[in-house]
Amino acid sequence: GAVVSQHPSRVICKSGTSVKIECRSLDFQATTMFWYRQFPKKSLMLMATSNEGSKATYEQGVEKDKFLINHASLTLSTLTVTSAHPEDSSFYICSARYEARYSYEQYFGPGTRLTVT
Amino acid sequence: QKEVEQNSGPLSVPEGAIASLNCTYSDRGSQSFFWYRQYSGKSPELIMFIYSNGDKEDGRFTAQLNKASQYVSLLIRDSQPSDSATYLCAAVYGNNRLAFGKGNQVVVIP
Repeated sequence: GAVVSQHPSRVICKSGTSVKIECRSLDFQATTMFWYRQFPKKSLMLMATSNEGSKATYEQGVEKDKFLINHASLTLSTLTVTSAHPEDSSFYICSARYEARYSYEQYFGPGTRLTVT
Repeated sequence: QKEVEQNSGPLSVPEGAIASLNCTYSDRGSQSFFWYRQYSGKSPELIMFIYSNGDKEDGRFTAQLNKASQYVSLLIRDSQPSDSATYLCAAVYGNNRLAFGKGNQVVVIP
């Protein structure tokens, strides 16, 4: 259980274009999903918290108009990188919060490697 | 600033030995802690979570939490080459967000 998928796994796009990344919880409902970015040999940096039915909450320094997040259902959140630039090239990883009776954990998707040329 | 510190450099252990990883956190209000394993080029995989002071064992893994000292650790017994990875410590803070440490690389030598 607690499986999270992400699509696409890799994407190469040209500078100035937009890219959409999907994150799905496959066997549980997730009212809360998170989007992270990870640069090579660096730790995970939280970009935003995605809540079903409401606006995402962005971390300080993350441009909400550049990284559009839509949590359309209890199993799907999308991240759209708008007007991508080479410096946006990174490993984008989503996670979904799994709420069990006495605990909750975050499970990660496999990640999307974005390269902007 | 919510900080999670993992200060040790790469850890090399012989196969079959115990690998010990340490983590400290700055937010005394944090109540929940997680250890993730991340292989190179892959996303993190949850291996342990701990909420209460003391030890929690799951197979070859033991997590230890000391809230008074703001300290979390992970022991890997009978280390295997497949345990070679980066281990990330994470603490929950406001609105259920996770703050991650930089990670500790573990290399198990056959």
